[in-house]
Amino acid sequence: DVKVTQSSRYLVKRTGEKVFLECVQDMDHENMFWYRQDPGLGLRLIYFSYDVKMKEKGDIPEGYSVSREKKERFSLILESASTNQTSMYLCATQAGGAGEYEQYFGPGTRLTVT
Amino acid sequence: ELKVEQNPLFLSMQEGKNYTIYCNYSTTSDRLYWYRQDPGKSLESLFVLLSNGAVKQEGRLMASLDTKARLSTLHITAAVHDLSATYFCAVDGFGNEKLTFGTGTRLTIIP
Repeated sequence: DVKVTQSSRYLVKRTGEKVFLECVQDMDHENMFWYRQDPGLGLRLIYFSYDVKMKEKGDIPEGYSVSREKKERFSLILESASTNQTSMYLCATQAGGAGEYEQYFGPGTRLTVT
Repeated sequence: ELKVEQNPLFLSMQEGKNYTIYCNYSTTSDRLYWYRQDPGKSLESLFVLLSNGAVKQEGRLMASLDTKARLSTLHITAAVHDLSATYFCAVDGFGNEKLTFGTGTRLTIIP
């Protein structure tokens, strides 16, 4: 079974703080993704990575950055947290390769910025 | 830009009834995914549909894909309470590994 873990289930941070959200997978998947989920908006892609040290912007990258130094670990960074970044953050992995596009999700981190 | 629309957004139905959730998408794709999310939890994969005419069934849920109509349906048969959840469909753009998700259908089964 694919196992995707996220560093925290709940996090409360203050405006202006630097925030790190970490995602770790144990299935040797090539691709990793960060989404945020807000009521009525579904899941929106922030950043994704096809390989170590590779990253691409998703649909809403503003205010975020990412790091992938090792294949199994993908970090989302909020350089200066703002209240509009209060949300549920979901990490997902994907095997990569032709036809293997199913994504596997971690448990999520509910971030509150006050 | 790929758009994915689900309807209805909210669905309240009685136990034992049948209903269908619809997922329309705007560009060519022959792969579609259905996920389930329980309150406060993450997304769990339900079905992966990889070609036109694909049909998959698990328990009281059946999903189908019509790529010509750019439409997938998730049919619920004789609903039971533990099917209450939010259901998402997702599509990958042709040849693109990113998924675009619908906004979800919140299903509530009433005893």
